[in-house]
Amino acid sequence: SQKIEQNSEALNIQEGKTATLTCNYTNYSPAYLQWYRQDPGRGPVFLLLIRENEKEKRKERLKVTFDTTLKQSLFHITASQPADSATYLCALVLYNNNDMRFGAGTRLTVKP
Amino acid sequence: DVKVTQSSRYLVKRTGEKVFLECVQDMDHENMFWYRQDPGLGLRLIYFSYDVKMKEKGDIPEGYSVSREKKERFSLILESASTNQTSMYLCATRLGGDTQYFGPGTRLTVL
Repeated sequence: SQKIEQNSEALNIQEGKTATLTCNYTNYSPAYLQWYRQDPGRGPVFLLLIRENEKEKRKERLKVTFDTTLKQSLFHITASQPADSATYLCALVLYNNNDMRFGAGTRLTVKP
Repeated sequence: DVKVTQSSRYLVKRTGEKVFLECVQDMDHENMFWYRQDPGLGLRLIYFSYDVKMKEKGDIPEGYSVSREKKERFSLILESASTNQTSMYLCATRLGGDTQYFGPGTRLTVL
């Protein structure tokens, strides 16, 4: 069956450390993968997109990797801050461009 | 900046009522989507539309219908609300295969 799994429901880390979130998928062939941030009571906000032929993308303190062999994406936040606390969702965009599938999200808490 | 607005942030309805959730976007995007979000289940697609008067079922369309009479407006209708439709409802838009822009969400409670 098709699945998207994000490593854990919740992740707690200390301020200043690097947060690493995982997105694994099964029986999908995504054209690209996106990461979104969602704050409580709000809609998700787009952060980064990485295509299947790209290994790594960076934006400020964010880094995303995409391994189509392992069927996995890693999302890193370096020098994390309490303001980074939120739920992070990965989303696969399939070759049919109208089909986007979301993981359930990982709730990240950065403690001061 | 893309703006996606939803008619209500919070809504409380009674079982059996007809419920309308409206979504309006200001960026001329063809594609619009309705999701519901429940703890542990993530975002599940209810319906989407890729053009005016066009609609396609998503993964969980039962109990819902939609209307898209104008490009900027996409409405979700619960014909007869039930308690298992208590959820956070999110509207989103997308231009082609690009990123999705979400509205702020409507938290619907059905009593």
